[in-house]
Amino acid sequence: NAGVTQTPKFRVLKTGQSMTLLCAQDMNHEYMYWYRQDPGMGLRLIHYSVGEGTTAKGEVPDGYNVSRLKKQNFLLGLESAAPSQTSVYFCASSHDSSGNTIYFGEGSWLTVV
Amino acid sequence: EDQVTQSPEALRLQEGESSSLNCSYTVSGLRGLFWYRQDPGKGPEFLFTLYSAGEEKEKERLKATLTKKESFLHITAPKPEDSATYLCAVQAGAAGNKLTFGGGTRVLVKP
Repeated sequence: NAGVTQTPKFRVLKTGQSMTLLCAQDMNHEYMYWYRQDPGMGLRLIHYSVGEGTTAKGEVPDGYNVSRLKKQNFLLGLESAAPSQTSVYFCASSHDSSGNTIYFGEGSWLTVV
Repeated sequence: EDQVTQSPEALRLQEGESSSLNCSYTVSGLRGLFWYRQDPGKGPEFLFTLYSAGEEKEKERLKATLTKKESFLHITAPKPEDSATYLCAVQAGAAGNKLTFGGGTRVLVKP
């Protein structure tokens, strides 16, 4: 029962490096999301997708890009990492737009030095 | 802009000591208010949805209530396994399918 799987789980980057976080879901969900979680600030939506081939900006999209080429995968890219992007990143997927059908991955810890 | 504020930030309880967590919100056209539980090193897990003022939901030692301006998560006779961070989120009509989360309340229940 995989649910939502994120890779990698931990990563340390140097300022200016690029990387991609991969999210995979096996529940055939249409909606997928990338959030970041910082101490005391709750979860903030970076980008989301309402279906294969679609993406949209969330609350804090600057410095990130996403792609949803396959329904089950949602990729989050950092083109030029900055220390302000040090955070825990959560991918989520949902059957519909309601918050009661959303499932989260276990998180990816990213440190930018 | 939708806003969600949770208080307190942290709560230390003795086993069996009941308490309440608060989630205050300002939104335009509430579609739903959601409570999640988050264990250390894990993603949030869905607990409850509340849709209208006066609504209540219960699950084991947890009870969630909703008014027009806030929601409470009551923990009755907590056990150490109730230790977690509890997150509140709202979904508003103008925001479509986007959830706005509060900062969370870290609950520690000591035996």
